[in-house]
Amino acid sequence: AQSVTQPDIHITVSEGASLELRCNYSYGATPYLFWYVQSPGQGLQLLLKYFSGDTLVQGIKGFEAEFKRSQSSFNLRKPSVHWSDAAEYFCAVGPTYSGNTPLVFGKGTRLSVIA
Amino acid sequence: KAGVTQTPRYLIKTRGQQVTLSCSPISGHRSVSWYQQTPGQGLQFLFEYFSETQRNKGNFPGRFSGRQFSNSRSEMNVSTLELGDSALYLCASSLMAGKTDTQYFGPGTRLTVL
Repeated sequence: AQSVTQPDIHITVSEGASLELRCNYSYGATPYLFWYVQSPGQGLQLLLKYFSGDTLVQGIKGFEAEFKRSQSSFNLRKPSVHWSDAAEYFCAVGPTYSGNTPLVFGKGTRLSVIA
Repeated sequence: KAGVTQTPRYLIKTRGQQVTLSCSPISGHRSVSWYQQTPGQGLQFLFEYFSETQRNKGNFPGRFSGRQFSNSRSEMNVSTLELGDSALYLCASSLMAGKTDTQYFGPGTRLTVL
C-alpha cells in the first residue's frame, strides 16, 4: 500500500539556522513527490514537486528537496530559516498517472521558529 | 486573477443530515480535487474531476460523492452525516497542462457535525 512517513511531528529551530524535514515513502514505482506548507487558518501551498530528472528540486521561498530513490526519501531543506517559515509541512506522493494530484499525504511536521 | 473559492466557509450540521459543499476553481482551470483534513487522519484524498469526469477516487464510503459542471465548478455531497465527518474540506484546482502545472488550494470549508 502507498504510504508517506514524516518521522518528526514537531521541530523547533532558531531563526537563521538550517532546516531539514524528513519524508519517506512507500510506493511500487517512482511516484510524483510533493511538499506543501500550511499556515494557520490557510489552505495548502505547493512548495515544490519532483516528477523526473534532476533529483535536487528547487522550490519557492528558498526551499529545496532531494529525491533519493535508494532510500525512498524526499527530504525538504532550507539553508536559513525565517520566522515566517513557522507552519505545518506536508509531504505527499501521487502516481504518475495522477499528474499534479497528490493522493497520499504524510501526517505533517509542525515547524516552530524561535529567535 | 481570483483564487480558488469555496462556499460556505463554515457549516454546522447534525448527524443524519446531508451537506453540499461548493468549489469554484481558478478561471481556466479544468481539474478539481477534494481533500478531507482532520486532526486524527490528517489529509486524505477524496476525489478528482477533470472535464466533468471523475479521474481518481480515494478510499471513502459511498456517502461521499461529487460532481463537476461544464464551467468546471465542483460540488461534493456527504449524505447521512456522522460525527467523524467533522473536518476541513479542501478543494484544489489546476490547469492539467502537464508536469509543470501547479495545483492551487482554496481556504477550505470547515464542517462541524453535532
